[in-house]
Amino acid sequence: QLYLVESGGDVVQPGESLRLSCTVSGLPFGTFDIHWVRQAPGRGLEWLAVMSMAETISYYADSVSGRFIVSRDNSNTLYLLMNSLNSDDTALYYCAKLGTGRTELDSWGQGTLVTVSS
Amino acid sequence: SFDLTQAPSVSVSPGQTARITCSGNALPHTFGNWYQQKSGQAPVLIIYEDIKRPAGTPERFSGSRSGTVATLTISGAQAEDAADYYCFSTDPNGQRGMFGGGTKLTVL
Repeated sequence: QLYLVESGGDVVQPGESLRLSCTVSGLPFGTFDIHWVRQAPGRGLEWLAVMSMAETISYYADSVSGRFIVSRDNSNTLYLLMNSLNSDDTALYYCAKLGTGRTELDSWGQGTLVTVSS
Repeated sequence: SFDLTQAPSVSVSPGQTARITCSGNALPHTFGNWYQQKSGQAPVLIIYEDIKRPAGTPERFSGSRSGTVATLTISGAQAEDAADYYCFSTDPNGQRGMFGGGTKLTVL
């Protein structure tokens, strides 16, 4: 059984940074791409970034490019470092695994909440 | 550009057929995927690669695509199908993802 668990969400002030984690269990880490998605309160899903595990390269949405950085460790955790946070970044942040069809996100975590407020 | 467009809301009576569309110029070059999200829950994949159902998706859910439009069809909608539905795809290179704006399905 595959599990993705996000953690690290918190209440932070504008301008601060925060690092989220996505811990994967149940499948060999590094054999599938992982995406980050967020959902602001009462809003739709927004795609943020993907780490291509084969290339160890990350790609970002224009809305977060230059502020957010995806990285991974050598075990089973993916990170999302978020810099210069503002109120628009207040959201539930999900990580999700890319499926074998190469376009669908077939497994999701339950999300971790980030609140940016002064 | 890589954009996906959905109508904000669709309403059907129980037992009727609901159709939710997602339009985007990139769809002929990639696959459309559909998620169901109920209040307070994570999204759940219900259709992938335009037409495939993951294990656990009821047969009343089906997907199709014609040109730049992907369609999610719920045949005989039930009250429990009331939810937000999102289409999603990645660009052919896998370097960008995109969600449609979401469609709120009301069944009453």
